[in-house]
Amino acid sequence: QMQLVQSGAEVKKTGSSVKVSCKASGYTFTYRYLHWVRQAPGQALEWMGWITPFNGNTNYAQKFQDRVTITRDRSMSTAYMELSSLRSEDTAMYYCATPGIAVAGAFDIWGQGTMVTVSS
Amino acid sequence: EIVMTQSPATLSVSPGERATLSCRASQSVSSNLAWYQQKPGQAPRLLIYGASTRATGIPARFSGSGSGTEFTLTISSLQSEDFAVYYCQQYNNWPPWTFGQGTKLEIK
Repeated sequence: QMQLVQSGAEVKKTGSSVKVSCKASGYTFTYRYLHWVRQAPGQALEWMGWITPFNGNTNYAQKFQDRVTITRDRSMSTAYMELSSLRSEDTAMYYCATPGIAVAGAFDIWGQGTMVTVSS
Repeated sequence: EIVMTQSPATLSVSPGERATLSCRASQSVSSNLAWYQQKPGQAPRLLIYGASTRATGIPARFSGSGSGTEFTLTISSLQSEDFAVYYCQQYNNWPPWTFGQGTKLEIK
């Protein structure tokens, strides 16, 4: 079955960077866009950006434009989200998700989430 | 950017009763609206897409309606496993894809 498996929890210092991975299986990696969504504790879902695995094209939410980089390794069917200049407000669960054509572009497959904790 | 507004923030309903959750878009999103359910410690799960189509495996007690700017998620007879947080999301005008702030459905 289609699934996304993310890397484990991270604890980072303020000002540092974190890189989270998302490995796809059960489908052709290059056939589906891959999005990143975060959720601060007790807060709503927030879209961060997306990548087209076929050619590596990316687009980022304006809020994260200067701090986030999304990449992919086609040979590993894996996407990565790197967030730099971390601050305490970046403490959140980070999810990867992929939209399906069969569901008109809604996000039907989600990773299990990666908790990133930022402290000084 | 399209802003999605959900109401109420918290809804208290007894098991077996009907729950009605609302979502409003700041401009038309046609029928490109999804509903997700999220339980504590879990990733969101797609319930409804295209405003009214249930995703695979979603029970018939979940139904969605609306188009344009006004949408509703109805759960006809609440089961214990339905108490969770529900989010709406528009995927009509992107980027960005935007979510509502969520409605917490709690046991009365």
